[in-house]
Amino acid sequence: GAGVSQSPSNKVTEKGKDVELRCDPISGHTALYWYRQRLGQGLEFLIYFQGNSAPDKSGLPSDRFSAERTGESVSTLTIQRTQQEDSAVYLCASSPWRWDTQYFGPGTRLTVL
Amino acid sequence: SQQGEEDPQALSIQEGENATMNCSYKTSINNLQWYRQNSGRGLVHLILIRSNEREKHSGRLRVTLDTSKKSSSLLITASRAADTASYFCATVANTGGFKTIFGAGTRLFVKA
Repeated sequence: GAGVSQSPSNKVTEKGKDVELRCDPISGHTALYWYRQRLGQGLEFLIYFQGNSAPDKSGLPSDRFSAERTGESVSTLTIQRTQQEDSAVYLCASSPWRWDTQYFGPGTRLTVL
Repeated sequence: SQQGEEDPQALSIQEGENATMNCSYKTSINNLQWYRQNSGRGLVHLILIRSNEREKHSGRLRVTLDTSKKSSSLLITASRAADTASYFCATVANTGGFKTIFGAGTRLFVKA
């Protein structure tokens, strides 16, 4: 079946612009995660959705970052007023349940000029 | 600070040799997972070991878990050039909504 997809694959934007990143999880997966990975670094947890529970937003670095998920389907990560330090690969993963194996999308490479 | 910390940060070996990577963590876990990443994009799950398990095998991979020492190791036997990648451990906490925390990773380079 289809895996996790993310769009766009690459995004170049100017400092101060807003960007929206999209993640389509595997159908039926109740858990969805967003991570940020700077060049040569590990994964930085951003936000986690589990079914209809309130999302865990504890990893969002500032109030410029927000994310939404409609039910158990698509999620969007929005970064407002982008800064150069936001440049990174943003990875989305979904999981059948919160402690299960995570299935990753290919990521969106964001470059803020 | 991060829950999972891999050691070493980088490892370079010859094809055919074994590669061992270690992961240490700080709090009680539900399970620990190892992932592989090529070319800085999506991660691929390798193996999951639960807190009540001590060892698990999958092909050329062997994972051990020592909950008393809060550590895990990933052994890749008879390494191949295609094993060149970054390897991450991820710990799933027992509390706090089962949050998954990834370590900084070990970069493995296998020379042909």
